[in-house]
Amino acid sequence: KAGVTQTPRYLIKTRGQQVTLSCSPISGHRSVSWYQQTPGQGLQFLFEYFSETQRNKGNFPGRFSGRQFSNSRSEMNVSTLELGDSALYLCASSFGQPYGYTFGSGTRLTVV
Amino acid sequence: KNEVEQSPQNLTAQEGEFITINCSYSVGISALHWLQQHPGGGIVSLFMLSSGKKKHGRLIATINIQEKHSSLHITASHPRDSAVYICAVRGRGETSGSRLTFGEGTQLTVNP
Repeated sequence: KAGVTQTPRYLIKTRGQQVTLSCSPISGHRSVSWYQQTPGQGLQFLFEYFSETQRNKGNFPGRFSGRQFSNSRSEMNVSTLELGDSALYLCASSFGQPYGYTFGSGTRLTVV
Repeated sequence: KNEVEQSPQNLTAQEGEFITINCSYSVGISALHWLQQHPGGGIVSLFMLSSGKKKHGRLIATINIQEKHSSLHITASHPRDSAVYICAVRGRGETSGSRLTFGEGTQLTVNP
């Protein structure tokens, strides 16, 4: 069975640009959540989508947004990139509570 | 004070040793997760606990809901167990959704 697929794996962007990251969940999973991991802040929750609706959002500025499509694939977008946005972005999919998560391998974003 | 605290932050062991990593949390939870992260970033979900104890191979996870404490044990440790181990909790309530709050992680190194 295919795992959670995140694309691209690596990305280098310039400050001020925008970026879109993609996450394809395990077939049948309707929940997709996104996380940011940095050396200074560790892992932090960005947002969660369930059946195309944003169900929960972390404490990130409005430059961070996301969406989920009818096939449960999700994208997150970061506009007006800042150096501090350099991080590993992970997504995880689930059937929803009370089930567990499967994580993708992440997208490593570097902003220069 | 962080909502999820792990100890120790770093742990070095000799192959074959019994290892314990601890996690304390300060909020009400619906589940606690133990995650493993290898260099390169991919995260593997090891356990999801809401009560009691679970065992998978050489790994054992326990949780004490009253004391808000969980432990991850590795028996007969091996160099391939070297990784970062992360404790994460999911809050209660429908609005918590898939929101996870993470500990800072424990870097485990097992020497041959």
